This record gives sequence, structure tokens and C-alpha cells, in this order.
Amino acid sequence: DAKTTQPPSMDCAEGRAANLPCNHSTISGNEYVYWYRQIHSQGPQYIIHGLKNNETNEMASLIITEDRKSSTLILPHATLRDTAVYYCIVRHHTGTASKLTFGTGTRLQVTL
Amino acid sequence: GAVVSQHPSWVICKSGTSVKIECRSLDFQATTMFWYRQFPKQSLMLMATSNEGSKATYEQGVEKDKFLINHASLTLSTLTVTSAHPEDSSFYICSARDPSGQGAKTQYFGPGTRLLVL
Repeated sequence: DAKTTQPPSMDCAEGRAANLPCNHSTISGNEYVYWYRQIHSQGPQYIIHGLKNNETNEMASLIITEDRKSSTLILPHATLRDTAVYYCIVRHHTGTASKLTFGTGTRLQVTL
Repeated sequence: GAVVSQHPSWVICKSGTSVKIECRSLDFQATTMFWYRQFPKQSLMLMATSNEGSKATYEQGVEKDKFLINHASLTLSTLTVTSAHPEDSSFYICSARDPSGQGAKTQYFGPGTRLLVL
């Protein structure tokens, strides 16, 4: 699976949008971009995924650049409960290459 | 999203004993389940992939005789840490892949099991 690069940490004020970047310059054409988050001492929580189009769900929006070499996860109105480590992962959907491999992620701290 | 449960949520055991952790997919049938381990302040490390009815595939460096994985049904996988030692103390997390839905094969994670070996 392609490697991803994320900033180690970010701060965001409560109520503001949190924009978390991810670089995946070696992504291949059939690899998806997935985002998960892990709140302290819990299992990772699925947030969103996409292939090449922008995606939105009740939790977040995912913006993927046209060349697919980077993406941004947007939490539109961050709350204190969004404080977590956010992982950007690229993977195939099928076969042995479809394992989820976690990097170091971005530690998002939402403050008052 | 889909629900994955783990039991127990935490366990303390003596060195040399074996500990079994259960992972269940509650509202979908998971043909593939995964076991991860996470040490403090580190990321998740994949230990093994298990497919229902077949032997698990272990990642490099993970001892298959120490970490026994059984995936006997489409909703249950177990991880047994045999002859546990203090260095096995960690946060063990299982994950199950939901094969249904819009062509996506999203993995859902359990809440984790914290193991402390004394």
C-alpha cells in the first residue's frame, strides 16, 4: 500500500473547521483513501473513504486533489469530542494488498 | 456503522498463563478479521489476518505459536496469548471487514482489550 504523510499534531478551536491534510504521492489508480480516528484508549473509528471524487457524510468531508496525490479531511464544526488521533490510509479494496496499515497519524487537539 | 465487540475489555493475568480474547461482528458476517496490537504512544501494528475456516496469516515477526488465532464462524474470531509474559502487555484490537455495501469493504474495529501481564 502507498505510504502516507501527515503532520504529527494540530490544534483547532471548538466550533471552527478542522482541516487535516494527508500526502499520498505514490498512490496507485485503484487504491482508496480511508480516514479513521482513534480516541484515547478506544478502537479506531471509521470516518470516511473515497477514490477520486470528494465525499461527504454526517461526520466529515473528504477532499481529494485531482491528481490524487493528497487529500484533506474536514470536520466542519470541531467539538472537544473530536480530539483524537486521525489516520489517513490508502489501500486496495481486494486481495492481500487490502490490509489497513496504520501510520503515525495526526493528533488533533480541539480547544475551548 | 457496523458493530464489532470484544471481550473482555481488560484482563490482568499472571506470567505464564494463557489469555483468550474474543472478537464478534454483531450485525454482519465477516469473512475476514484482523488482529492488531498497540503499545503506549504508538500506532496500531497488524499482527495477523484470519479468514473464516482457514489458517490465519501472520505478519512478519509475529509468533504464530504464541498468538493462536481461531476464526471458526463468520461472526467470531479468537486470539489466545499463550504463556503470556510482561512484554505481551498491550492493547489488542480486532477488526472485521464488512463485505457488503456499495463495493466498499470497510473495516470496523472493536473497542480493544487491554492486557496486563504481571
